Amino acid sequence: KQEVTQIPAALSVPEGENLVLNCSFTDSAIYNLQWFRQDPGKGLTSLLLIQSSQREQTSGRLNASLDKSSGRSTLYIAASQPGDSATYLCASSDAGNMLTFGGGTRLMVKP
Amino acid sequence: GAGVSQSPRYKVAKRGQDVALRCDPISGHVSLFWYQQALGQGPEFLTYFQNEAQLDKSGLPSDRFFAERPEGSVSTLKIQRTQQEDSAVYLCASSWGLNTEAFFGQGTRLTVV
Repeated sequence: KQEVTQIPAALSVPEGENLVLNCSFTDSAIYNLQWFRQDPGKGLTSLLLIQSSQREQTSGRLNASLDKSSGRSTLYIAASQPGDSATYLCASSDAGNMLTFGGGTRLMVKP
Repeated sequence: GAGVSQSPRYKVAKRGQDVALRCDPISGHVSLFWYQQALGQGPEFLTYFQNEAQLDKSGLPSDRFFAERPEGSVSTLKIQRTQQEDSAVYLCASSWGLNTEAFFGQGTRLTVV
């Protein structure tokens, strides 16, 4: 059974810092990996999706990388802003289309 | 519609009561998923539909949980004889098809008292 782990569980940084969120998974036979953002009391907003054949995806200040062989993905956030404060979740997709989520990283960016 | 819509947003149920949670996926999306998210944790898979066919229900925690999507669009998650451990946020997601980007609704927060 796939297990997804996110480290750290919580992170507090001053505004303007570049930061990296980590995601690891135990079964490398994934179809894709997706990063989501979740604001308190809200649903999930898709940030980036990396297909298994890809190494990275970029959107604005966000860059996500995928290393299937080592079972790792990272989400890089450049020049963090207070509006980036949220919980970030990674999820791997298997052949059955099911997403397996990590526990999330709660990010606080202080002005 | 513009996004995945779930109703109600909040539901308080007395223990033993039956509840029904509704999901309106994005128009044209073939795949529909239900997830359960406990406080402070990541969502966990419950069940998956492709059109009207329920292809995977391995995540449903007990036979008190039942999901349907009779016409391949709107889906309903029903929980019978609710218990306190059923308290969670229930998230619905839809996508165009296999291994495409999943779009989530805002969820239904169920509290069983």
